[in-house]
Formats: sequence, C-alpha cells, structure tokens
Amino acid sequence: EVQLVESGGGLVQPGRSLRLSCAASGFTFDDYAMHWVRQAPGKGLEWVSGISWNSGSIGYADSVKGRFTVSRDNAKNSLYLQMNSLRAEDTALYYCARDIAPARAYYFDYWGQGTLVTVSS
Amino acid sequence: EIVMTQSPATLSVSPGERATLSCRASQSVSSNLAWYQQKPGQAPRLLIYGASTRATGIPTRFSGSGSGTEFTLTISSLQSEDFAVYYCQQYNNWPPLTFGGGTKVEIK
Repeated sequence: EVQLVESGGGLVQPGRSLRLSCAASGFTFDDYAMHWVRQAPGKGLEWVSGISWNSGSIGYADSVKGRFTVSRDNAKNSLYLQMNSLRAEDTALYYCARDIAPARAYYFDYWGQGTLVTVSS
Repeated sequence: EIVMTQSPATLSVSPGERATLSCRASQSVSSNLAWYQQKPGQAPRLLIYGASTRATGIPTRFSGSGSGTEFTLTISSLQSEDFAVYYCQQYNNWPPLTFGGGTKVEIK
C-alpha cells in the first residue's frame, strides 16, 4: 500500500525557517517524481514545488522561488521542503504528492494527509 | 503561467441529477488535464487524467471531456458521496503546474 506521511509542520514566526519531510513507503520511491502542494485555510490547491526521480529536474512556484528548496533522499525514501524567510501567506496545509512518472511533472496519483504550517507572530 | 479558471464556483444539485463542471485554460494544454475530488478534511483524490481517462477505481458516472482550452467534468447521476470540491489541473507546461480555483458541488 502506497503511503506518504508528512511531518515537520508547526507554528513559526515570520522570517523564520522550517523543514518539512515526507516519508514514502509501499512503492519504489526513486521510480517517481515527487511534489509539494499546499492549501491555505478555506482556499484551493497551489502547487509549490516538484523534483524528478534523480533530482535532475526541479521546479518551483514563483511565490516560493528563492525561499524554498526541495530535495529528496532516495536511500531514505524521503522528500523534503526547506522553507526559509517564511511569510504569513505561506500558512497552509502542505501535502506531499506522488507524480505518475519519474522525470517530468504530470499529475498526482497519491497524496499524503498533509502537515500544517502556520506563520504568525 | 497557464491560468486555469473553473466555473461555476458553486453548483447546487439534487441527488440523482447530472452535474456539469467547467474548466478553462488561458492557453492550450492539449489533453494534459487532470481532475481531482476533495472532501472536507481529506486529501484530494485523482479522478481523471488525460482529460478523459478515469483513474483506477473511479466510478463510470464520472466522465471528462475536452481538449485545448475547454474541459468538462460530468457526474451523470450524483450520489451522496459525490458532494465535494472538484479541481482541474494542467500539466502541459511546467513549472508551474497550475490548478483551477475549484467548484464546490453541494446538495440542492
């Protein structure tokens, strides 16, 4: 059974940093690209970042470019999102999602349950 | 960036009736479009990809159509479990991948 379990969310002050993790199981992790998608409270879905199977192709939304860094450790079956210079508008539930392919971004066939990030003083 | 626009924002439908949801792209995305369903407190679930192919386990009452810039998700006969928010997502161009703002299907 495919499982994606996010962790690392919490309450953080504006300007501070946070690192999210996503632990994957039930599939061959390095056969798939992976993504982060967020959802602000009561709002829609926003793609944040994606990374190919070998980290050779990485993309970011303009809203986080230069502040967030996505990475993966295939040996640990884990995906990460380093979030720096956090802003109030980064407050959201952050989902880890599996792409259907390894190398470029398509769509998502499995999602985690999300980890909540709240940016507030 | 390709902007995805969904309409209507809210659709009120009686159980057993047909629901038609629209998604428009600001430029052609060919057939590179997916639909997701999200229920309160749950992660999104993939319904449709390639504009018209149902994902594994999705009931046949869900169907997708369209190409280029105009897409439609149809639920032929709404069941109680279908009341949810539906999102379209383009994957023709990235980055970024982009979602529509969602259509909430509520009980009339």
